[in-house]
Amino acid sequence: GAGVSQSPSNKVTEKGKDVELRCDPISGHTALYWYRQSLGQGLEFLIYFQGNSAPDKSGLPSDRFSAERTGGSVSTLTIQRTQQEDSAVYLCASSPNLAGGHGYTFGSGTRLTVV
Amino acid sequence: GEDVEQSLFLSVREGDSSVINCTYTDSSSTYLYWYKQEPGAGLQLLTYIFSNMDMKQDQRLTVLLNKKDKHLSLRIADTQTGDSAIYFCAEIPGGYQKVTFGTGTKLQVIP
Repeated sequence: GAGVSQSPSNKVTEKGKDVELRCDPISGHTALYWYRQSLGQGLEFLIYFQGNSAPDKSGLPSDRFSAERTGGSVSTLTIQRTQQEDSAVYLCASSPNLAGGHGYTFGSGTRLTVV
Repeated sequence: GEDVEQSLFLSVREGDSSVINCTYTDSSSTYLYWYKQEPGAGLQLLTYIFSNMDMKQDQRLTVLLNKKDKHLSLRIADTQTGDSAIYFCAEIPGGYQKVTFGTGTKLQVIP
């Protein structure tokens, strides 16, 4: 597609429920990144994919968080048993193989609110 | 330090120049970036500088890089109300393939 698409744009969920966040990167971009932005905070790295594999999962906050990417395209970030501290904006970005001078192209994010 | 550091807030009058400063972490970082985030939107790449440069100019934007001090700055000339946003400094630390972001500087432009 023309840009990075994320869905849903907003999600309100009850504490303890599972949620799935979707990212559709720019066609042909092999690298895909998930970040989390909490109110008043910078961007916290979560996970990075190169193709379908995730060389760096170091940023996932707990084992409740998981992500997958299929077909080198769409990625899903799943949060199980959501907690209130999971409330944040989840941003997805994609880039050609190495960010380099291209930087990342970001989606508009999914605002997750856990009540 | 371990984090990319930026001041949290900057207020300028419309028409003045804005200077946003950043201290990054890794002297071997190859690319350094400035991103802009408008309310309710994702981050937009504004400009970048390669580590072998010390200055880059792009219309109203001037990026200065001081590798010795690991200091990066973004100057916006003739600041407009549409420039009001959060500006993030970012780097790719050596040996990594992910971008590390600063905490962001909120720029407020007063008409």
